[in-house]
Amino acid sequence: EIVLTQSPGTLSLSPGERATLSCRASQSVSSSYLAWYQQKPGQAPRLLIYGASSRATGIPDRFSGSGSGTDFTLTISRLEPEDFAVYYCQQYGSSPTFGQGTKVEIK
Amino acid sequence: EVQLVESGGGLVKPGGSLRLSCAASGFTFSSYSMNWVRQAPGKGLEWVSSISSSSSYIYYADSVKGRFTISRDNAKNSLYLQMNSLRAEDTAVYYCARRGSLGSMDVWGQGTTVTVSS
Repeated sequence: EIVLTQSPGTLSLSPGERATLSCRASQSVSSSYLAWYQQKPGQAPRLLIYGASSRATGIPDRFSGSGSGTDFTLTISRLEPEDFAVYYCQQYGSSPTFGQGTKVEIK
Repeated sequence: EVQLVESGGGLVKPGGSLRLSCAASGFTFSSYSMNWVRQAPGKGLEWVSSISSSSSYIYYADSVKGRFTISRDNAKNSLYLQMNSLRAEDTAVYYCARRGSLGSMDVWGQGTTVTVSS
């Protein structure tokens, strides 16, 4: 099983700042099979990024994904008030796994 | 509108059984693989099971293998999760999710809550 480790656990930032979230895999992940999700309290997760760097339908371009192999990054260029949430990475190898999540909170 | 709606959650005693359903609408259900994902209270996301579009391929997380059974009825646009021998650690919100591009999960239901407690 591929273990995904996200860092930091919590990111405290102000609106307008840049957020950089990390996802590290215990073994190499095909870039094609790395996704990022956003989840707000009481809501289902929402797909942001698939294939490591492709934005899902309707996702603003302030969200971008990058990386390959074992190191992947989600960047939010300028935080909007609605972006404060928990973010998960996910790989789809032999069996899907999720990272433990990064909470982006208002500073 | 593309939509997934789960139902069937509730309170069940340890060792009991429950069957979850997921009704799909707004897309050609029979063309997509589907997943069940759960989230224990205050915890992260855990993949539970996947089923291919024609039910030819089925996969389970080790934590539920031998106890849970995923199935689908393409004629009814529905996905199911039969859960037997339930344990306290199965307590969670259960989501159904459509498999999208490159293994992502691009459409999610609102979730149904399963509580296993005596």
